[in-house]
Amino acid sequence: AQSVTQPDIHITVSEGASLELRCNYSYGATPYLFWYVQSPGQGLQLLLKYFSGDTLVQGIKGFEAEFKRSQSSFNLRKPSVHWSDAAEYFCAVVGANNLFFGTGTRLTVIP
Amino acid sequence: GAGVSQSPSNKVTEKGKDVELRCDPISGHTALYWYRQSLGQGLEFLIYFQGNSAPDKSGLPSDRFSAERTGGSVSTLTIQRTQQEDSAVYLCASSLHRVNNQPQHFGDGTRLSIL
Repeated sequence: AQSVTQPDIHITVSEGASLELRCNYSYGATPYLFWYVQSPGQGLQLLLKYFSGDTLVQGIKGFEAEFKRSQSSFNLRKPSVHWSDAAEYFCAVVGANNLFFGTGTRLTVIP
Repeated sequence: GAGVSQSPSNKVTEKGKDVELRCDPISGHTALYWYRQSLGQGLEFLIYFQGNSAPDKSGLPSDRFSAERTGGSVSTLTIQRTQQEDSAVYLCASSLHRVNNQPQHFGDGTRLSIL
């Protein structure tokens, strides 16, 4: 069965520092993977997606993610974090009829 | 419309009452999904619509929960005889076609509080 694990519940970084959010998935075949971001009181906004091809995918707001089949990982990265990046981040894998989400990582950005 | 629209944005009701939550998907999107987001539990799939039919209702937690979709567009999620554990944010999403190769676009959700 499909599942997603986000090991870090909460991460704090300084503004301008680099960021990596971890995501591990469980899926039998080639997965379709997404990262979403949720600001307080808002819905989920799509950051980027991986379906096939190049394992390094670029998204909006300067985010990128790398698909590593050998590690069953799809980690999200950003070279320099901005205060406006503070939010909750969700990794998801496609199932038969829905997305399976991780439990999310809350990002706090300190000045 | 430009995005997925959900109403109401907030709903407070007493235990035992029925509630209806509405979702208006992006125009032309054939697939529609309902999820529930509870504190500390992440996002939980409830039901999937393709057009007006619901081939997957596996996530509905009890028979108090039901949903319909009409005209291949608007969907309503109904919770009967609400319980306190129903308190959560209910998110609706739509995609152009079935989920496999299409990203889902989410509304801002309805925050439901059961007193």
